[in-house]
Amino acid sequence: EAQVTQNPRYLITVTGKKLTVTCSQNMNHEYMSWYRQDPGLGLRQIYYSMNVEVTDKGDVPEGYKVSRKEKRNFPLILESPSPNQTSLYFCASQGKGHGRAEQYFGPGTRLTVT
Amino acid sequence: GEDVEQSLFLSVREGDSSVINCTYTDSSSTYLYWYKQEPGAGLQLLTYIFSNMDMKQDQRLTVLLNKKDKHLSLRIADTQTGDSAIYFCAESPTGGFKTIFGAGTRLFVKA
Repeated sequence: EAQVTQNPRYLITVTGKKLTVTCSQNMNHEYMSWYRQDPGLGLRQIYYSMNVEVTDKGDVPEGYKVSRKEKRNFPLILESPSPNQTSLYFCASQGKGHGRAEQYFGPGTRLTVT
Repeated sequence: GEDVEQSLFLSVREGDSSVINCTYTDSSSTYLYWYKQEPGAGLQLLTYIFSNMDMKQDQRLTVLLNKKDKHLSLRIADTQTGDSAIYFCAESPTGGFKTIFGAGTRLFVKA
């Protein structure tokens, strides 16, 4: 079954404590992205990756880091979380070329930073 | 800069057609997408259209694209209560995977 998994699903943390949200896909997709969803703003792209070791900034990359060491994994790192990073985060993977229609989102990670 | 706009709410009666509208600004957009998000869930890609197409139909869904006005619409025929959700429009420029989303349209279906 095609799947994008994220962990953890829920996280409450304190300002400044480094955290990592993991994302993994089993479809051998080259493209992966991270988004945050905030009320009234839709989804905003944080970072995306077009292949292993190839990443690029989306619209709201400040305060986030990513890495793509393996094709299946694309972790999101918050080195020093702040309350304005409280949000719902989604990871997504997508095929390329005609496979661009093959796109899957993870179930989301709800992060609260106090 | 790039921007995608949608109306925030739409209410229809069960069995009627729903039309959700979206406007975008990036004329280089190649892919235009519609997603559905049910409460507490992630996004599901419903359909997409290439910018060189005017229309795409997929069962109850019809996507219309007016490139001149940069206007995209999603029509859901015979709307059911299970169609109640938030619908997002998104654009993706030529050759890239940077994706811009609208704020979402919340569709209410009254029985």
